[in-house]
Amino acid sequence: DADVTQTPRNRITKTGKRIMLECSQTKGHDRMYWYRQDPGLGLRLIYYSFDVKDINKGEISDGYSVSRQAQAKFSLSLESAIPNQTALYFCATSDSRGPGEKLFFGSGTQLSVL
Amino acid sequence: SQQGEEDPQALSIQEGENATMNCSYKTSINNLQWYRQNSGRGLVHLILIRSNEREKHSGRLRVTLDTSKKSSSLLITASRAADTASYFCATDGNNAGNMLTFGGGTRLMVKP
Repeated sequence: DADVTQTPRNRITKTGKRIMLECSQTKGHDRMYWYRQDPGLGLRLIYYSFDVKDINKGEISDGYSVSRQAQAKFSLSLESAIPNQTALYFCATSDSRGPGEKLFFGSGTQLSVL
Repeated sequence: SQQGEEDPQALSIQEGENATMNCSYKTSINNLQWYRQNSGRGLVHLILIRSNEREKHSGRLRVTLDTSKKSSSLLITASRAADTASYFCATDGNNAGNMLTFGGGTRLMVKP
C-alpha cells in the first residue's frame, strides 16, 4: 500500500463547482503539504500544516482552503473551481524530526476544470 | 516564485552516457535536494546535500554544491533507459518555515 494516498486520481469538474481532494498518510509524519504542478513551472506550494492545529498559506493559496482532520489526513478544497485551477495536485508529508525537509509525495490528482 | 532554476530544460542522451543537470538558486540555503518524477507520478527524493557539503554520492548519482556560485549539479553516470524522467532541484531558503521551493525541472530522455 502507498504511504501517501491521494483520492481521486483524476477529476473533471465544471467552473463554479466545489470540490475536495483528499490525502491520507501512514508514515506517521507530522507535516503535510499541498502542491500544484503546471507544465514547465515546477511545483508551487498551496498550503502546509505542521500539525493538526497548525495551518499555513503557501505561495498560491487564493481560491483554495484546507482542513487537517487528523494527523494522517489533509484535504484540499476548491470552493468555486475555475479553469486556471486545472493542474496536477500533489500531497506530500515530512517528518520534522528528520534531517532536512525531505518530502514524500502521493501519486497526484489530475484536476480538469471545464 | 521559483528559487531554483534547472538547466537544461530538456536533455536527450544514449544509454550508457552520463547525464548532467544543473540547478541555480538565488538566496542562501540550509540544504538542497534533488527529486525525480516519472511521467505524471509523484516526486521521489533522490539525495540531499547540506550547505556545508561540497559533494555527495548515492549509487550512480553524484551531486555537487557550490554555495559561492549558488549552484548545484546532478550527475547520473552510465545512464539507463529507466532513468528517463524529470529531475527537480529544491531549496529551503528565503521563506518562513524554510519551505522547499522547486525549480521547473529537467526532462531527461535516455534512448536505448
